[in-house]
Parts: sequence; C-alpha cells; structure tokens
Amino acid sequence: KNEVEQSPQNLTAQEGEFITINCSYSVGISALHWLQQHPGGGIVSLFMLSSGKKKHGRLIATINIQEKHSSLHITASHPRDSAVYICAVLVGSTLGRLYFGRGTQLTVWP
Amino acid sequence: KAGVTQTPRYLIKTRGQQVTLSCSPISGHRSVSWYQQTPGQGLQFLFEYFSETQRNKGNFPGRFSGRQFSNSRSEMNVSTLELGDSALYLCASKKDSYVNSPLHFGNGTRLTVT
Repeated sequence: KNEVEQSPQNLTAQEGEFITINCSYSVGISALHWLQQHPGGGIVSLFMLSSGKKKHGRLIATINIQEKHSSLHITASHPRDSAVYICAVLVGSTLGRLYFGRGTQLTVWP
Repeated sequence: KAGVTQTPRYLIKTRGQQVTLSCSPISGHRSVSWYQQTPGQGLQFLFEYFSETQRNKGNFPGRFSGRQFSNSRSEMNVSTLELGDSALYLCASKKDSYVNSPLHFGNGTRLTVT
C-alpha cells in the first residue's frame, strides 16, 4: 500500500473551471509538498504545508493534519495549468526524504 | 541565481555498463537529495546528503551509490546497469536541514539503458 494516495489520476477541465486534487496519506508527516511537473520532467514546488492553508495566485492548498488529507485547488483554470500535479509528504525530521503520490494528470482545454 | 543543474540531460547506456550523474545545487545550499522516476513506480527516494554525509537511503540495491563534495555538488553512480534502471533521475537541493526550507528540483537526467 502506498503511503500517499492521490485522486483523481486524470482530470480534464474546460478553461475557467474550478479544479480540486486530493491527497491522503497514512503516515505521520513533518510537511506536505504540492509539486508541478511539466512535460520534459522538471519539477517545481508549488507549496509546502505543515498546517492550515496557503494561497498563491489562483492556487490554494489546504491541509488537515488530523484527517491526514490535503487538497490543491486551482481557481479559473487555464490551459497553461496543464501538467502533472504530485503530492509528496516529508516523513520524520529528515532533510529531503519524500514519499510521493502517483500524480494527477491535469488537462485544461481552451 | 542559477537553479539546480543536472548533467547530462540525456544518456544512453548499455546493460552492464556503469553511469555517473551530476547535480550542482543552488549556490549556498548544503542538502542534496536524489530521486528516480519511472512510469511503473512513479517517483521514489534514492538518497540524501548534507554536508558531505549521506543522511538517508531509500530501498534501492547497492548498485546505486552517491556522494557529495565539499562544494555541495553531488554525484550518483549506478553500476552494472539493468534495463529497469531506465528512468528520469532528479535531484533537489535545500539550503539547510530545516523541515520548512524550500526544496528546489533540477530538470533531471533521462537515462535509457538498452
């Protein structure tokens, strides 16, 4: 069983729609990352959360530590948001040891 | 400020050979971690280094090894390559050991083993 479960695996939306990607984890964590990966492979860290909620532009990330659940929301989605979104949890007090979800492939059509 | 630089970007090797991948972290960053991404297994943690010391290792065979130099640059080595080692290898750097320090990824090295 994977320590990190993401849903949905694939998501298709029309431009302007509100998007939600969910992440559940089964282990105690120090922090949770939401990552974005475009074709070609490079990964960008969108958010790092240990509690509450963070907002950056049209992106919002929330985490509920008690329920071991996090969500990534994209408001007013745009075709340039098309990418793979990956949830990753940092376990223990280690430096960079992450456990990853399998990712959500988001495609936004104009 | 330059980002995390991984070289080479693409690599083709034959089964049984060995390969060395390089990662230069952001200037001033002391932590480097390595990850393997395959279609079958997704992203998996390989190992992490801080101040030239390996602090953690994932569940990979001993053919996978790494090191970090005094300038924080890191290399990973895979010996006796297998077809299943074909993957995107990513490294990431952090400034320090704090949990809340941002993580910065490189663009990866895509290794193909034939």
